[in-house]
Amino acid sequence: DAKTTQPPSMDCAEGRAANLPCNHSTISGNEYVYWYRQIHSQGPQYIIHGLKNNETNEMASLIITEDRKSSTLILPHATLRDTAVYYCIVRVYAGGTSYGKLTFGQGTILTVHP
Amino acid sequence: NAGVMQNPRHLVRRRGQEARLRCSPMKGHSHVYWYRQLPEEGLKFMVYLQKENIIDESGMPKERFSAEFPKEGPSILRIQQVVRGDSAAYFCASSTGGTGVNEQFFGPGTRLTVL
Repeated sequence: DAKTTQPPSMDCAEGRAANLPCNHSTISGNEYVYWYRQIHSQGPQYIIHGLKNNETNEMASLIITEDRKSSTLILPHATLRDTAVYYCIVRVYAGGTSYGKLTFGQGTILTVHP
Repeated sequence: NAGVMQNPRHLVRRRGQEARLRCSPMKGHSHVYWYRQLPEEGLKFMVYLQKENIIDESGMPKERFSAEFPKEGPSILRIQQVVRGDSAAYFCASSTGGTGVNEQFFGPGTRLTVL
């Protein structure tokens, strides 16, 4: 799996948008970008994934650059409960199936403050 | 629709004892993954199983650790002769498998403490 690079920490004011960047410059054509988060020692929580188009769901938006070498996770209106470690992960998708393990890096510690 | 369930949530063992961690996947999920998170470290993949098959065990320590996912019942992660370095949070995840982009859903974890 390709390696990802994320800033170790970020701050965001409550109610503002949180924009979390991720660099995955060695991503392959058959790899998806996934985002998970882990709130204070709980099990990781799936947020969103994408291949090359921008994606949006009820939790967040994912913006992937045209060359796919980087992406940004956007939490449009951050709340205190969004304070967590956010992980950007790339994972192989081939033959119509997404395979196996998730390789977690160090992630970004997002702190949302009042 | 219950999520991934793990038990026990907390487990205390003395050095040399055995630890058994259980994981019941979400309904309809036939793929199970185990991850370990050592104190102050990130999550590390251990093993990926389907029913009655180990698909990828590249992250499993060579000794004392084993995993199974029988035809009936939960997946079991077994640690024999535990040592203090095994103290960690162990997370199980499940997915549907098959075709498509199969996101993994995680359980709440089992916190193992070795005295």
